[in-house]
Amino acid sequence: GQNIDQPTEMTATEGAIVQINCTYQTSGFNGLFWYQQHAGEAPTFLSYNVLDGLEEKGRFSSFLSRSKGYSYLLLKELQMKDSASYLCAVTDSNYQLIWGAGTKLIIKP
Amino acid sequence: GAVVSQHPSWVICKSGTSVKIECRSLDFQATTMFWYRQFPKQSLMLMATSNEGSKATYEQGVEKDKFLINHASLTLSTLTVTSAHPEDSSFYICSARGQAAQETQYFGPGTRLLVL
Repeated sequence: GQNIDQPTEMTATEGAIVQINCTYQTSGFNGLFWYQQHAGEAPTFLSYNVLDGLEEKGRFSSFLSRSKGYSYLLLKELQMKDSASYLCAVTDSNYQLIWGAGTKLIIKP
Repeated sequence: GAVVSQHPSWVICKSGTSVKIECRSLDFQATTMFWYRQFPKQSLMLMATSNEGSKATYEQGVEKDKFLINHASLTLSTLTVTSAHPEDSSFYICSARGQAAQETQYFGPGTRLLVL
């Protein structure tokens, strides 16, 4: 079966750094996405990785290792507005997007 | 770029009525659109995938006669919840993707449906 695992909830302090991990087992791989979803709102696109390595975009970075079936989203200089759920999603060999359950990130002052 | 709109953002209706939700890609052509449902504090659930000019593909457990999907143009898809009941109350979100299958899905802002 196809499976994406990410922690259910994480807590971090304002100004700190947090890493949200995602592991996947899918039938084929055509890219991995990270989305941010604030409570009561629709998801917004954060990043896309299809090759191994780190993609940096401002305070957010996303890393991919295809051989390990592993990705992480790194958030630096955390702000209160970063409190949200972070969704990992993988496109499989049929270009179906398989969603993780999301990680709820709580930022404390 | 890559803006997706949904209308209405909120709808309250009586049990037994039908509700139509529109999803539009404003600045790109969406070959494929997706309809999701999300109950409070739960994960996104894909309901169906629609390709322009074709019949939608529904996920297991989603009644195609209850949730009618039309994707008549490259910028518009509609979801009609027929004979809505209180258990259909949820957050309905569409997303749109361009021509290449590996392209990013961009989400609309969602529609909150409350059936009384």
